Amino acid sequence: QVRLQESGPGLVKPSGTLSLTCTVSGDSVSSSSYYWGWLRQPPGKGLEFIGTIYYTGNTFYNPSLRSRVTISVDTSMNQFSLRLSSVTAADTAMYYCAREISSDVGLDVWGQGTTVSVSS
Amino acid sequence: QSVLTQPPSASGTPGQRVTISCSGTRSNIGSNAVNWYQQLPGTAPKLFIHSSNQRPSGVPDRFSGSKSGTSASLATSGLQSEDEADYYCAAWDDSLNAWVFGGGTKLTVL
Repeated sequence: QVRLQESGPGLVKPSGTLSLTCTVSGDSVSSSSYYWGWLRQPPGKGLEFIGTIYYTGNTFYNPSLRSRVTISVDTSMNQFSLRLSSVTAADTAMYYCAREISSDVGLDVWGQGTTVSVSS
Repeated sequence: QSVLTQPPSASGTPGQRVTISCSGTRSNIGSNAVNWYQQLPGTAPKLFIHSSNQRPSGVPDRFSGSKSGTSASLATSGLQSEDEADYYCAAWDDSLNAWVFGGGTKLTVL
């Protein structure tokens, strides 16, 4: 059974950098079959795509966040990570990692999510 | 402002047929399949319909998805209390090279 687990600080100071890791079990981030992605959901609001990465390092980012986002993959640890710089209160959200099969099938496995608050 | 447009709410009585719409553009729904996600309160989203009209294992067959042109819809033929949730449509956008989502529809069983 494939499982994804987000981890990282729950509190980040304004203008700082948010860093999260997603650990994959039951599958390999080196698989040629999937992309691995990050999404977020501000309190009481809808879902927002942040970006996805392939095991080769190829990435797609939300254009509205591209200047502040870096997604990387660590095949030795079977993890992929998110860095979001220059955070503000607007970046406070539940952050999810997910597995993407294809543009037709979508995001078929999700982590449980981790809450990140931006506050001094 | 979400790229895909959904009604913020929908409702029905048990057994009723309810439909949720999702409107997009040529670069997203017009070019790619639509996926629907169900989010129960306090939980992560779950893939509910993929490839515009395919149900993953475990999704009741009273639910169906369809797509025509730049619009899509999710329908339930017999609403049940456990269907109360938020539903999001999504599609890959070829112009943005990104997933785009609807704002979500809160389905309430009266």
